[in-house]
Amino acid sequence: DAGVIQSPRHEVTEMGQEVTLRCKPISGHNSLFWYRQTMMRGLELLIYFNNNVPIDDSGMPEDRFSAKMPNASFSTLKIQPSEPRDSAVYFCASTPVGGMNTGELFFGEGSRLTVL
Amino acid sequence: AQSVTQPDIHITVSEGASLELRCNYSYGATPYLFWYVQSPGQGLQLLLKYFSGDTLVQGIKGFEAEFKRSQSSFNLRKPSVHWSDAAEYFCAVGGANNLFFGTGTRLTVIP
Repeated sequence: DAGVIQSPRHEVTEMGQEVTLRCKPISGHNSLFWYRQTMMRGLELLIYFNNNVPIDDSGMPEDRFSAKMPNASFSTLKIQPSEPRDSAVYFCASTPVGGMNTGELFFGEGSRLTVL
Repeated sequence: AQSVTQPDIHITVSEGASLELRCNYSYGATPYLFWYVQSPGQGLQLLLKYFSGDTLVQGIKGFEAEFKRSQSSFNLRKPSVHWSDAAEYFCAVGGANNLFFGTGTRLTVIP
C-alpha cells in the first residue's frame, strides 16, 4: 500500500513568493494533519481535518497560511507570501477512523521548504 | 496544559549497549503515550504506544517503554542497540484530537 505522499520533497523559493505544498493521504483514512518541524520549535500541529472539514486550525501561525482539503484524497498547505522564518520541514500525516484514539499517525516523508 | 519533556537532546551509545531515553509529560487526564522514531530524511514511524493496562509495553524493533504514573514518565528502553537504531526519537502525549510531541532525542550509535 502506498503511504502518505507529499510533494514537493524540496522547495527553495524567494521571500514573497507563494508556496503550495501537497499531500495525498492513505486511502481510507479520514483524518489528515499538517505539522511543521523546526530545530527551534520541534513538531507543531498546524491544522487537522476530519472527513475533509477543518477541525482545529489554531496552530496556523498567521493569515499567510491556509490549508484546504477539497476531497478525501488531497490536501494543500499554502503560504502567501512566504518569509524566511517559514523555512522548515512540513509533514502531512493521516489516520483512519478513530485513529487519533489509537495514536498511530502515518507520516509522509515531508516537504523541506527554504525561503531565501 | 499538555506538554512533553525530553531532557536529553543527544545521546551517544556503543553498539550492543543498553539504551534508555527519558520522557516526562504533563497532561490533565489519563494520558495516551507514544514513542515515534524518525530516520534522516523520513517521516515519523510509531514505535509503541500506551493507553491502559500493563504499564510495560513492547514495540517494534525490540523497543519497550514503561509508564510510571507517579513520576509522569514514559521512558523508552532497548537492551542492546544496533547501528540501525541511530535516529531521532520523539515522545508524544495526546488524546482524541492532537498529539503533543517532545523536542526529540537524537541517538548516535558508535561501533
